[in-house]
Amino acid sequence: GEDVEQSLFLSVREGDSSVINCTYTDSSSTYLYWYKQEPGAGLQLLTYIFSNMDMKQDQRLTVLLNKKDKHLSLRIADTQTGDSAIYFCAEFGYGGSQGNLIFGKGTKLSVKP
Amino acid sequence: DVKVTQSSRYLVKRTGEKVFLECVQDMDHENMFWYRQDPGLGLRLIYFSYDVKMKEKGDIPEGYSVSREKKERFSLILESASTNQTSMYLCASSAEQPNQPQHFGDGTRLSIL
Repeated sequence: GEDVEQSLFLSVREGDSSVINCTYTDSSSTYLYWYKQEPGAGLQLLTYIFSNMDMKQDQRLTVLLNKKDKHLSLRIADTQTGDSAIYFCAEFGYGGSQGNLIFGKGTKLSVKP
Repeated sequence: DVKVTQSSRYLVKRTGEKVFLECVQDMDHENMFWYRQDPGLGLRLIYFSYDVKMKEKGDIPEGYSVSREKKERFSLILESASTNQTSMYLCASSAEQPNQPQHFGDGTRLSIL
């Protein structure tokens, strides 16, 4: 079945760039998503990329997609303490019924001042 | 903006009680989802619904049921709460078209004593 893998932790210094990586298995995925979860809150959709794109940039966020390697990354430029959160990668899984996303376990980003 | 509202942020119940978690969305979305989130396990799909009165089992439906009598409301029911159902519960909704992102509520932190 489909699977999405992420490293569990990432620690960076304020002002540095953060790169959060994700690998997925479903080659038929058409959309891939990044969500952010702040402590005690739900998941907030950050950005998404369609599979016919290699890159998408949105202000401080850059998403890179390597479809051949099934690798997705999220780069946060000039990381701030407010970026400390858990970041989830997700793919649309055709293995389930419509509207079903497959989530990674999340990467906890810690930003040190 | 999409608004998904969960009725309680925190809830404390006793073992054996019947527990209702309510979720309402205001975007006329067809699809609605219930997840639980536990440390180290990420998000796990309990049930989802793609239309009124329709429901589908997710990955961990045991011990839960759902109700969708109206399009905007999706209820999760713990028939007889047990301590291993202590968790963070997240509701989400999405539009009917495949690949549409899911939008999440703020979550309900449920403790079963």
